[in-house]
Amino acid sequence: QKEVEQNSGPLSVPEGAIASLNCTYSDRVSQSFFWYRQYSGKSPELIMSIYSNGDKEDGRFTAQLNKASQYVSLLIRDSQPSDSATYLCAVDTTSGTYKYIFGTGTRLKVLA
Amino acid sequence: GAGVSQSPSNKVTEKGKDVELRCDPISGHTALYWYRQSLGQGLEFLIYFQGNSAPDKSGLPSDRFSAERTGGSVSTLTIQRTQQEDSAVYLCASSELAGADEQYFGPGTRLTVT
Repeated sequence: QKEVEQNSGPLSVPEGAIASLNCTYSDRVSQSFFWYRQYSGKSPELIMSIYSNGDKEDGRFTAQLNKASQYVSLLIRDSQPSDSATYLCAVDTTSGTYKYIFGTGTRLKVLA
Repeated sequence: GAGVSQSPSNKVTEKGKDVELRCDPISGHTALYWYRQSLGQGLEFLIYFQGNSAPDKSGLPSDRFSAERTGGSVSTLTIQRTQQEDSAVYLCASSELAGADEQYFGPGTRLTVT
């Protein structure tokens, strides 16, 4: 069974700090990785995708991928209270069909 | 452009009744996915479509669940003889192509079975 694991949190950080969210996956040949943000009572919203080892930056968000270690992380710089949400990691599978497996999410709380 | 739309936004039904949930993907997106999210839980994959065909139905919980997609666009998820454990938010997502493409989610349908 292919798995994607995230610490459920909550991860609490003070406003203005860097929040670091981590995700590990079990399928060594996964190629596509995604971070979604989900506010309470809302649907997931795509933040970033990453496909290659290394860092990818978009505004205050940086995704980091290390395929050798099978982890992907999301850094949020200058965290704001509005960043408080659950962050979901999604990874493609090699089960022969095209779908993602989602982690259960990490709840982030940014304290004002 | 318009995003993924779903209807109804909320549905309350009695145990044993059938329900239909609708998803209208982003125009031009060929892949469409259905997920279920129970309260406080992660996303559970149900089924995906590439065009009108469903290569992967592995996530459908039982034979009471079925889905179809017509014209490569709108999809309907049908739950027959609903049970209380079917209560959840049903989310639809679409992407340009199946596979590595980014998925965009609709607002979801909250189903409550009484």
